[in-house]
Amino acid sequence: DAGVIQSPRHEVTEMGQEVTLRCKPISGHNSLFWYRQTMMRGLELLIYFNNNVPIDDSGMPEDRFSAKMPNASFSTLKIQPSEPRDSAVYFCASSQGQGRETQYFGPGTRLLVL
Amino acid sequence: AQSVTQLDSQVPVFEEAPVELRCNYSSSVSVYLFWYVQYPNQGLQLLLKYLSGSTLVKGINGFEAEFNKSQTSFHLRKPSVHISDTAEYFCAVSRRGFKTIFGAGTRLFVKA
Repeated sequence: DAGVIQSPRHEVTEMGQEVTLRCKPISGHNSLFWYRQTMMRGLELLIYFNNNVPIDDSGMPEDRFSAKMPNASFSTLKIQPSEPRDSAVYFCASSQGQGRETQYFGPGTRLLVL
Repeated sequence: AQSVTQLDSQVPVFEEAPVELRCNYSSSVSVYLFWYVQYPNQGLQLLLKYLSGSTLVKGINGFEAEFNKSQTSFHLRKPSVHISDTAEYFCAVSRRGFKTIFGAGTRLFVKA
């Protein structure tokens, strides 16, 4: 199994530009999570989906952030417009459910907004 | 609501010494407990988890953790660490049908 796939691995952009991060979960997993990690704030859950439906988006910082999961094998996290404070590593993770199930993390996308 | 507290933000230790990384949780109901490890420039991966049954859980790379319900703790231990164990370790708590809550992480530095 290829594991969780994220693209791009690195993204450098200028303030005000749109950024789209992509994630392909492990086949057969029905839960998908987007996290953000920074030195100051640690690991933060932004949003998670179950069976392609957003369940909890309370961690999404503001309206500039949006996430979609059009099908079971693909999700996007979009930031529009981007700001320097959005610079972070963004992780996607998937699991076979919630609660007792292990989450499998992708390698992350390192985003730098200048 | 459940929460998890990792009592040490950084733990320096010499190679081949034992180590304990502390984790306390709060929840009024039965929980599932996890330890994840993050090596530099990588995503998190599971070390071990407690779902039920035996309170001593063994994981990968020689790590183990003990679930203590009375003290609401789930401390991670290794009897002899290696340089390659240098990483950040996250304790996490969950329960049936609910999202997983991660702790703030503990950075383990293993010195030669």
